[in-house]
Amino acid sequence: DVKVTQSSRYLVKRTGEKVFLECVQDMDHENMFWYRQDPGLGLRLIYFSYDVKMKEKGDIPEGYSVSREKKERFSLILESASTNQTSMYLCASTPGLAGIETQYFGPGTRLLVL
Amino acid sequence: AQSVTQPDIHITVSEGASLELRCNYSYGATPYLFWYVQSPGQGLQLLLKYFSGDTLVQGIKGFEAEFKRSQSSFNLRKPSVHWSDAAEYFCAVGADSWGKLQFGAGTQVVVTP
Repeated sequence: DVKVTQSSRYLVKRTGEKVFLECVQDMDHENMFWYRQDPGLGLRLIYFSYDVKMKEKGDIPEGYSVSREKKERFSLILESASTNQTSMYLCASTPGLAGIETQYFGPGTRLLVL
Repeated sequence: AQSVTQPDIHITVSEGASLELRCNYSYGATPYLFWYVQSPGQGLQLLLKYFSGDTLVQGIKGFEAEFKRSQSSFNLRKPSVHWSDAAEYFCAVGADSWGKLQFGAGTQVVVTP
């Protein structure tokens, strides 16, 4: 079974803090994704990565950056957290073998920025 | 651009009754379609997917979905719901060759005794 883990289930940070959200997958997947989930908006893609050190912007990259130094780990960084970044953050991965594939999700991190 | 519409934000259903969740998509070519479920406090779990072939797709937990190209729909059904089916359900369409998905806004399902 594919396992995608996220470093924290709940996180409380203050405005202006630098925040790191970590995601690790254990199935040697090539592609990894970061989404944020907000009520009534579904999941929106922030960034994705198709290889180590490679990244592409998604639909809502503003205020975020990412890092992928190792294949299994994909980090989402909020350089200076703001209250409008309070949300649920979900990480996902796919094998990267054939275009559209099933995405495997982590349990999510619920972030509150005060 | 691809888009997914789930017209129902919230559905309440009695335990044992049938359930149908609607999904409409906008996509130029043959779509790759997914239904995911999110139980409270959890990540998303794949229920079923359609890539090609038989337009009636069977999934886990007794769910099925039917792809109707003429209606641009991929509706999810279950004949008899259980209390454990209370969750949020997301429809998604494959957005490009990199494997990105476009998600709908979700439908919250409440199951009453």
